[in-house]
Amino acid sequence: GQNIDQPTEMTATEGAIVQINCTYQTSGFNGLFWYQQHAGEAPTFLSYNVLDGLEEKGRFSSFLSRSKGYSYLLLKELQMKDSASYLCAVLDSNYQLIWGAGTKLIIKP
Amino acid sequence: DGGITQSPKYLFRKEGQNVTLSCEQNLNHDAMYWYRQDPGQGLRLIYYSQIVNDFQKGDIAEGYSVSREKKESFPLTVTSAQKNPTAFYLCASSMFEFREQYFGPGTRLTVT
Repeated sequence: GQNIDQPTEMTATEGAIVQINCTYQTSGFNGLFWYQQHAGEAPTFLSYNVLDGLEEKGRFSSFLSRSKGYSYLLLKELQMKDSASYLCAVLDSNYQLIWGAGTKLIIKP
Repeated sequence: DGGITQSPKYLFRKEGQNVTLSCEQNLNHDAMYWYRQDPGQGLRLIYYSQIVNDFQKGDIAEGYSVSREKKESFPLTVTSAQKNPTAFYLCASSMFEFREQYFGPGTRLTVT
């Protein structure tokens, strides 16, 4: 079966750096997405990786290793507003989007 | 302002009643999607549509129905056949199928 694994919850301190991991086993691969979702709100797009390597976008970076079935989202200079759930989703060979359950990130002052 | 609207934000219904959730977008996107989100689970695809008058079942289509008569609109009906309808429902759209998706604010449906 197809599977995406993310930690359920993580805690970090304001101003620090946190890395949220995502591992996947899917039938084929056509890209990996990261979304941010604040409680009770809609997910918003953060990044899309289809090639190996690191994509940097301001305080957020996303890394992909297709051979390892692994991605991470790196958040730097954490702010209280970064408290949210972070969803990893993989587009498989049939262009079906498989979603992880999300990682709830708690930022402490 | 371009975006996706869903209404209402909260909806309460009695068991046995059908209910229709609205989704409208003015982004000129071809593809639209309906997801269901339950606590501790990933988003699950109910239905999606790539073009007007065409739609496909997702992973959990049983008990739901949709229509796509206009490019801008993709309403979802939760029928009485859906065993566990209480959930957070999200509508999304994208320029191309299954690329970056833009989500509406969601409708939280409670059926008692």
